[in-house]
Formats: sequence, C-alpha cells, structure tokens
Amino acid sequence: LAKTTQPISMDSYEGQEVNITCSHNNIATNDYITWYQQFPSQGPRFIIQGYKTKVTNEVASLFIPADRKSSTLSLPRVSLSDTAVYYCLVGDVGYGGSQGNLIFGKGTKLSVKP
Amino acid sequence: EPEVTQTPSHQVTQMGQEVILRCVPISNHLYFYWYRQILGQKVEFLVSFYNNEISEKSEIFDDQFSVERPDGSNFTLKIRSTKLEDSAMYFCASSLQDQPQHFGDGTRLSIL
Repeated sequence: LAKTTQPISMDSYEGQEVNITCSHNNIATNDYITWYQQFPSQGPRFIIQGYKTKVTNEVASLFIPADRKSSTLSLPRVSLSDTAVYYCLVGDVGYGGSQGNLIFGKGTKLSVKP
Repeated sequence: EPEVTQTPSHQVTQMGQEVILRCVPISNHLYFYWYRQILGQKVEFLVSFYNNEISEKSEIFDDQFSVERPDGSNFTLKIRSTKLEDSAMYFCASSLQDQPQHFGDGTRLSIL
C-alpha cells in the first residue's frame, strides 16, 4: 500500500477555502485516493474518492494531477463545524474485497476559527 | 441516509472478562470490518469479513479476538479475556463491493 504524507495540522477561518495536500509518491496503478473526516469520539466519515483529474461532490472537491503522486482535498467556505481530522488514504480499488483494509495515517488536524 | 450502528456506546469491563461489541452494518452491504483507535493514536485495522468468513486480519487480531455474523443483521467482535491494553474505541465498518467503507460511531471500551 502506498504511503501518504500530509500536514499534521492546519488553521483556517470561517468562510475561507481550505486545501489539504497529500503526497503519495509510490501510488500504484490500481490505487484510488480516498479522504475521510473524523470528529472527536466519532467514526471516520467518507468524504470523497477519486482516481484521476477532478472529482466534486456536495461536500468537497478532489484534485489529482496527471502523475497522481499527490492529491488535494478542497473544502469550500469552511465553517466551525469543519474542525476535524482529515485522512488521505491510498489503496487498491477493491475497497470492499479481501484487499480492502484501510491504512490510516495520523491525518491533518484542521482547526477553523471564527 | 443508512448508517452503521454500534452498541453499546461505552463498555466498562474488568480485566480478564469477555466482552462482545455489537454492530449493525448497512443492510445491503456485504463486506464488514472492525478497526480500533487507542486514545490519541491512529485508526488501526483489525479484521475484514465476507461471505461468513474472515478475509483478512492484522497482527492485532490474535486468538483472543473473534468475529461472528450470528444472523442477517448483526456483526459482533468478541474479546475473550480482556487486557488493559484493549482499552480503545472500536469501530465497525461495512461496504459494498469496490465501494468506500462506512463507519459507525464506535464503542468506547474501558478495561479496569
């Protein structure tokens, strides 16, 4: 499984756009990039998943350059409730299968201030 | 939106006792997982389960641990003889084939 590197922490203010970049230099051809969010005393919550280029949903956007060695999670106009730990995970497309265990790093602790 | 539910939210047990943590995965999901998170540390994979058998397990998942899907809705994690170091949040997750995993909000297990 590809190792990921992301900042330990980030600070932002309400209403700003936040971009969290994750490096994954050893990403394999079959690997997808997935981001989870975790609030204290809660389980990780799926945010977004992508393979290449750009993916957007109602919560976030995920930008993946052509070489796929990094990815950027973009949170538009954050609010106080977006304060959480954000995890970047890289792994085989078979997330539901026998190779589907997720390897979590330490994540990025995002603090949103008023 | 369907959710993974876990009970109890907090379990306090004496060291050496058996404990069973319960999970109700999302109803049409076929793949089931347990993870744990020791306070202040990373989320760690324990075991994955599909078609009524273990697909993969980590080094943490030793002979003291077992999983079961006793009926069509529940998925349980049993720790036979708990140790102090088993104190952690335990998360259940479920998924469809080749789809992201969805997590419950966990059971906080405290071993005294």
